[in-house]
Amino acid sequence: AQSVTQLGSHVSVSEGALVLLRCNYSSSVPPYLFWYVQYPNQGLQLLLKYTTGATLVKGINGFEAEFKKSETSFHLTKPSAHMSDAAEYFCAVSDYAGGTSYGKLTFGQGTILTVHP
Amino acid sequence: EAGVTQFPSHSVIEKGQTVTLRCDPISGHDNLYWYRRVMGKEIKFLLHFVKESKQDESGMPNNRFLAERTGGTYSTLKVQPAELEDSGVYFCASSPRTRPGNTIYFGEGSWLTVV
Repeated sequence: AQSVTQLGSHVSVSEGALVLLRCNYSSSVPPYLFWYVQYPNQGLQLLLKYTTGATLVKGINGFEAEFKKSETSFHLTKPSAHMSDAAEYFCAVSDYAGGTSYGKLTFGQGTILTVHP
Repeated sequence: EAGVTQFPSHSVIEKGQTVTLRCDPISGHDNLYWYRRVMGKEIKFLLHFVKESKQDESGMPNNRFLAERTGGTYSTLKVQPAELEDSGVYFCASSPRTRPGNTIYFGEGSWLTVV
């Protein structure tokens, strides 16, 4: 079974500071990895995803994540935080172990990002 | 293009009552998923439709939950009778193709409170 661990349920940064949200996964097969964001009173929005190829993935709003197989990690970063980045962020892995239910996502617990002036 | 829409956005019901949540996927998306997040927990998979067929319902918690997707278009998730532990946010999602790594588009969720 696959699993995702997000280190830190709450992260607080200053505006302009580096954002680093940590995600480690466990998977018995090559993983497909995702970061979603949920802004207040909105649904989940895809930030970026890793399927195959380049391990550094760029997403929307200046976010990027690097797939590191040796560390089983997929940490999300942004060089400079904006107030508008305040939201809850979810790391997820796609459950694909030879079954037919493609797209079944296993989520981490979520990390609430607070950005203060 | 309209996204995934869910109705109602919020619902408060008493224990023992019935609630039906509706999801309209993005037009043309064969795959439809239901997920749930109860307070303080992670988002968990409930089930997956491909068109009108249930592909995977391994996440359905018990037989008080019934999901349907008539004609392969919109879907409903009925909880009958509702219990306190059913409170949470129910997300619907859809995707165009059935393959690994496919982008899944989520709705805004239906917030259910059982009192």
